[in-house]
Amino acid sequence: NAGVTQTPKFRILKIGQSMTLQCTQDMNHNYMYWYRQDPGMGLKLIYYSVGAGITDKGEVPNGYNVSRSTTEDFPLRLELAAPSQTSVYFCASSDSGMHRTEAFFGQGTRLTVV
Amino acid sequence: KQEVTQIPAALSVPEGENLVLNCSFTDSAIYNLQWFRQDPGKGLTSLLLIQSSQREQTSGRLNASLDKSSGRSTLYIAASQPGDSATYLCAVYTNAGKSTFGDGTTLTVKP
Repeated sequence: NAGVTQTPKFRILKIGQSMTLQCTQDMNHNYMYWYRQDPGMGLKLIYYSVGAGITDKGEVPNGYNVSRSTTEDFPLRLELAAPSQTSVYFCASSDSGMHRTEAFFGQGTRLTVV
Repeated sequence: KQEVTQIPAALSVPEGENLVLNCSFTDSAIYNLQWFRQDPGKGLTSLLLIQSSQREQTSGRLNASLDKSSGRSTLYIAASQPGDSATYLCAVYTNAGKSTFGDGTTLTVKP
């Protein structure tokens, strides 16, 4: 049981480049989330999904896109990377939503945009 | 807009000491509150989830309390150990699932 798996662990992008952060969970959870964490700060919600085919914006969605074609996968797409997107990105999943049940987090993707 | 504050930002204690971490929030209309632990370079691990109708939750040496009316939660760690060194974050949730995280308290337990 791997839990929540994120790839890659590290990435350096040039300004204007695009990339996809991958997230997979093997717990059959309905809810999946993408957060970003800037140094010394808490987490800010980018996008979330309550099930396959359903996604919604969080607190800081600008510059990002998501899709949820399967229960297991929730990729995060960065288009036209900007230095302000330098951060650590965490994917999380929860059976009935973090507000009801325990959340499980991936190890994070450390992204630097130069 | 909900704001979550964790004070102090950093705390250093000798091994064996009992300690309290604080979390305050500005809007008392929360659905629940969750405490997390984050080790350096790692993701978050859920420690305790307190429903808004509950006053406290316990897990081993950890005890979390919630006072909605005053907008406060505390995480009590008994008999601290060096392995407890980590950053502790609290998060509050609305019934729609919207989350607001604090910036965390970084705890160092010295042997």
